[in-house]
Amino acid sequence: GENVEQHPSTLSVQEGDSAVIKCTYSDSASNYFPWYKQELGKRPQLIIDIRSNVGEKKDQRIAVTLNKTAKHFSLHITETQPEDSAVYFCAASRDYKLSFGAGTTVTVRA
Amino acid sequence: DTAVSQTPKYLVTQMGNDKSIKCEQNLGHDTMYWYKQDSKKFLKIMFSYNNKELIINETVPNRFSPKSPDKAHLNLHINSLELGDSAVYFCASSQGTGGLPAGELFFGEGSRLTVL
Repeated sequence: GENVEQHPSTLSVQEGDSAVIKCTYSDSASNYFPWYKQELGKRPQLIIDIRSNVGEKKDQRIAVTLNKTAKHFSLHITETQPEDSAVYFCAASRDYKLSFGAGTTVTVRA
Repeated sequence: DTAVSQTPKYLVTQMGNDKSIKCEQNLGHDTMYWYKQDSKKFLKIMFSYNNKELIINETVPNRFSPKSPDKAHLNLHINSLELGDSAVYFCASSQGTGGLPAGELFFGEGSRLTVL
């Protein structure tokens, strides 16, 4: 089955700086790569996703890049704000089954 | 109008008891899931149903039994609860059909189960 590894497990950044989270996956047939944000005590919510026929996607301050050859994808958050503090999960899927990474706890320092 | 709702939100019970968590979605989605989130925040899929048919059944003790009476509902029954079952259980749904990628998962608020 799919195995998704996510790094780092924790990330502390100064407000206004950028944050980068990296994930690798094992199943070369995976073709859908979403990112979820989970605030403390809340449900995970989709923030951005990318499919295998696209190399990069951007939505305001967040962007995701995908390297299918190397089987890794990354989340970039620019101009971080206190409300970006949360746990971020990457995931990979080729059908119904979405396999999640272990999560990255991001703390934005004011 | 809540898209994916699950009840109860909190559940505290003794070891050995049996309990159920209910989930309903009003998004018209074909696929529903149960995920378990442990104390380290790891999200692990347990089950998935597509139009009332079980399509994913991960390595989960058979004390856990899902039931989908219709495509809008997916319940989770747990027998003989153990300390290690303590976790937050998330129900989710997605508009995935015919083997296509799941697409966006819409999660419920979660049900925090504490086994004493």
